[in-house]
Amino acid sequence: AQSVTQPDIHITVSEGASLELRCNYSYGATPYLFWYVQSPGQGLQLLLKYFSGDTLVQGIKGFEAEFKRSQSSFNLRKPSVHWSDAAEYFCAVGSLGGLTFGKGTHLIIQP
Amino acid sequence: GAGVSQSPSNKVTEKGKDVELRCDPISGHTALYWYRQRLGQGLEFLIYFQGNSAPDKSGLPSDRFSAERTGESVSTLTIQRTQQEDSAVYLCASSLRGRAGELFFGEGSRLTVL
Repeated sequence: AQSVTQPDIHITVSEGASLELRCNYSYGATPYLFWYVQSPGQGLQLLLKYFSGDTLVQGIKGFEAEFKRSQSSFNLRKPSVHWSDAAEYFCAVGSLGGLTFGKGTHLIIQP
Repeated sequence: GAGVSQSPSNKVTEKGKDVELRCDPISGHTALYWYRQRLGQGLEFLIYFQGNSAPDKSGLPSDRFSAERTGESVSTLTIQRTQQEDSAVYLCASSLRGRAGELFFGEGSRLTVL
């Protein structure tokens, strides 16, 4: 069975600081991996995806993520966060039949 | 419309009543998904429709839950004899055929069972 673990329930960073959100997955084959963001009062939005090829993928809003097969990880990074990045971030793994989501990491931005 | 539309946005009901939630996907999106998000939890897969194929109902938590979709259009999620543990945000998403995992979500229907 596939599963996703996001070890950090909450993360607080200062505006302008770098960010890394952790994600570990369990999947029986080469995974499709995703990061979604849920801003207050808004629906979930796809940030980026990994299907194959280059293990470093770029997404919207300046985010990137790196697929590391040896560590079963797909961590999300951003060099410099903005106050508008405060949101809930979900890592997901899956394929055509739908995605399995992690429980999310709540990102708090300090001024 | 431009995005996935869900209604109602909020629903308060009494324990034991039936509720119906509606999802209008993006035009042309053949795949449609329902997820449940309980407070402080991740998204829990409920059901998946792909075109005219038989739906994947493997995530429905009990026989009180059912969903229908006519062709590649509107879907309704019905919860019969609601229980307090059904209180959650019910999210609908749609995607294009072949674009696995690239889901476009609606803003959800918040269900509160008293």
